[in-house]
Amino acid sequence: DAGVIQSPRHEVTEMGQEVTLRCKPISGHDYLFWYRQTMMRGLELLIYFNNNVPIDDSGMPEDRFSAKMPNASFSTLKIQPSEPRDSAVYFCASSRTTGFYNSPLHFGNGTRLTVT
Amino acid sequence: KNEVEQSPQNLTAQEGEFITINCSYSVGISALHWLQQHPGGGIVSLFMLSSGKKKHGRLIATINIQEKHSSLHITASHPRDSAVYICAGSNFGNEKLTFGTGTRLTIIP
Repeated sequence: DAGVIQSPRHEVTEMGQEVTLRCKPISGHDYLFWYRQTMMRGLELLIYFNNNVPIDDSGMPEDRFSAKMPNASFSTLKIQPSEPRDSAVYFCASSRTTGFYNSPLHFGNGTRLTVT
Repeated sequence: KNEVEQSPQNLTAQEGEFITINCSYSVGISALHWLQQHPGGGIVSLFMLSSGKKKHGRLIATINIQEKHSSLHITASHPRDSAVYICAGSNFGNEKLTFGTGTRLTIIP
């Protein structure tokens, strides 16, 4: 299994530009999570999906952030317009549906976003 | 509000030493996760436990539900164990994790 695949690995963009981060979860995993990691705040959950349906987006910081999961094998996190304070590492993770607390999270390698 | 606190924040030890990282959590958290973040940034889930103890190789995780405390132990530590170790709490039926701030472990050869 290839694991959770995120793209791009690095993204550098100018303030005001639209940014799209992509994630392919592990096949058969029904939960997909988007996390953000910064030096100041550590890891934070932004949103998670179950069976492609957004369950909790209370961690999405502002309306500038949106996430979609059009099918079981693909999800996007979009920031429009981007701001310097959005600079962070964004992780996607997935897990199986056999009971979250019995199923470990599998993380992608993350996308390091820099907004100048 | 669920809270998770880790200690120490930084830990440096000699190769071979027994390592302990601690995690305390608040009411509302019923499962504890231990994650390892490598220097390159990748995150690996080490353990998820709601009671007792789990062991994988040189790593041991314990949890005391009454005291709301979990520990991660590393026996015969090795430089390749150098990483940031993060504990995170969740509640049954709620997939949201609350993360600790992490412990940066450095093992010196």
